[in-house]
Amino acid sequence: NAGVTQTPKFRVLKTGQSMTLLCAQDMNHEYMYWYRQDPGMGLRLIHYSVGEGTTAKGEVPDGYNVSRLKKQNFLLGLESAAPSQTSVYFCASSYPAGGGNEQFFGPGTRLTVL
Amino acid sequence: DAKTTQPPSMDCAEGRAANLPCNHSTISGNEYVYWYRQIHSQGPQYIIHGLKNNETNEMASLIITEDRKSSTLILPHATLRDTAVYYCIDVTYGQNFVFGPGTRLSVLP
Repeated sequence: NAGVTQTPKFRVLKTGQSMTLLCAQDMNHEYMYWYRQDPGMGLRLIHYSVGEGTTAKGEVPDGYNVSRLKKQNFLLGLESAAPSQTSVYFCASSYPAGGGNEQFFGPGTRLTVL
Repeated sequence: DAKTTQPPSMDCAEGRAANLPCNHSTISGNEYVYWYRQIHSQGPQYIIHGLKNNETNEMASLIITEDRKSSTLILPHATLRDTAVYYCIDVTYGQNFVFGPGTRLSVLP
């Protein structure tokens, strides 16, 4: 099993450009998450999904959109990138959150917005 | 905001036990205690979790006080590869994880 994979690993954007980050998991997990991590800080939840076709806002959703068209994939979109979105983005998946169910994390995508 | 509090940093000598504390002052009866670690900006890695009882696995031991207001993660024989940021999290079924800044553990040779 590959676990959780993220594409791309690195990306540099100019202000105003758009891009989509792809997260894929092969563990048949129901829940998927997108986090961002800024230098010296913990992870902050952007959006999450509790199942195919459903998404919900997390702690810091502004400037991002997500889609979960297939159970194994969770896409994070930036429609008009801003320098404040320079960060490392982590995807994770789990069975229903908490209750003894651990989250499995991908390796991260390092995004720089100039 | 994170519901747990941890010291920002700790040092430990290689080969010695590393004891990382966490305060869970607002934990409720159905919330689990999870520990994760993050090595050099990699994705966080699950270590262990528990509800009321102490737990042990191949990576670590988790000690939870009887009132559940504090926990301690124990790495019995720390190595240089255990240098990482360690996060403790309270979470109940269906609830999202909230990561605080964690404890930066430095294992010294």
